[in-house]
Amino acid sequence: DAKTTQPPSMDCAEGRAANLPCNHSTISGNEYVYWYRQIHSQGPQYIIHGLKNNETNEMASLIITEDRKSSTLILPHATLRDTAVYYCIVRVAAGANSKLTFGKGITLSVRP
Amino acid sequence: GAGVSQTPSNKVTEKGKYVELRCDPISGHTALYWYRQSLGQGPEFLIYFQGTGAADDSGLPNDRFFAVRPEGSVSTLKIQRTERGDSAVYLCASSLAGTSDEQYFGPGTRLTVT
Repeated sequence: DAKTTQPPSMDCAEGRAANLPCNHSTISGNEYVYWYRQIHSQGPQYIIHGLKNNETNEMASLIITEDRKSSTLILPHATLRDTAVYYCIVRVAAGANSKLTFGKGITLSVRP
Repeated sequence: GAGVSQTPSNKVTEKGKYVELRCDPISGHTALYWYRQSLGQGPEFLIYFQGTGAADDSGLPNDRFFAVRPEGSVSTLKIQRTERGDSAVYLCASSLAGTSDEQYFGPGTRLTVT
């Protein structure tokens, strides 16, 4: 799986949008971009994934650049409960190689 | 509905002892994964089951680690002759199939080897 690069940490004010960047310059054509988050002392939680089109669900939006070498996860109105480690993962869609390869992620701190 | 459950939530054992960690996946999920997470690191893949068989065990660090899923549901991760370096949170996840489906994680078992 292609590697991803994320800044180690960022913060944002409660109620504001949180934009979390991720670089994946070696992504292959059949690899998806996934985002998971891990709140302290819990297991990781799926947020969203996409191939090349922008995606939105009830939790977040995923913006993937046209060349697919980077992406941004957007939490439109961050709350204190969004404080967590966010992992950007690149992964093939199917087959035996469907494990998730986590990096260190980015620690998002939402301040009151 | 019920999510992925793991037991025990915490396990303290002495160096050299044998431990078993249990994972109950979401009902109907055919794919099951084990990961372990050391302090300050992201989860690290150990093994993946599709049904009863291990489809990918490339992440098991050595032959002290073994996992089974005899009936295609509950899985047990077994660690022999535990070492202090085995101390970590062991996470289990399940999904409908080993594809792009999202993986649902349990809360983990914190293993401490003294």
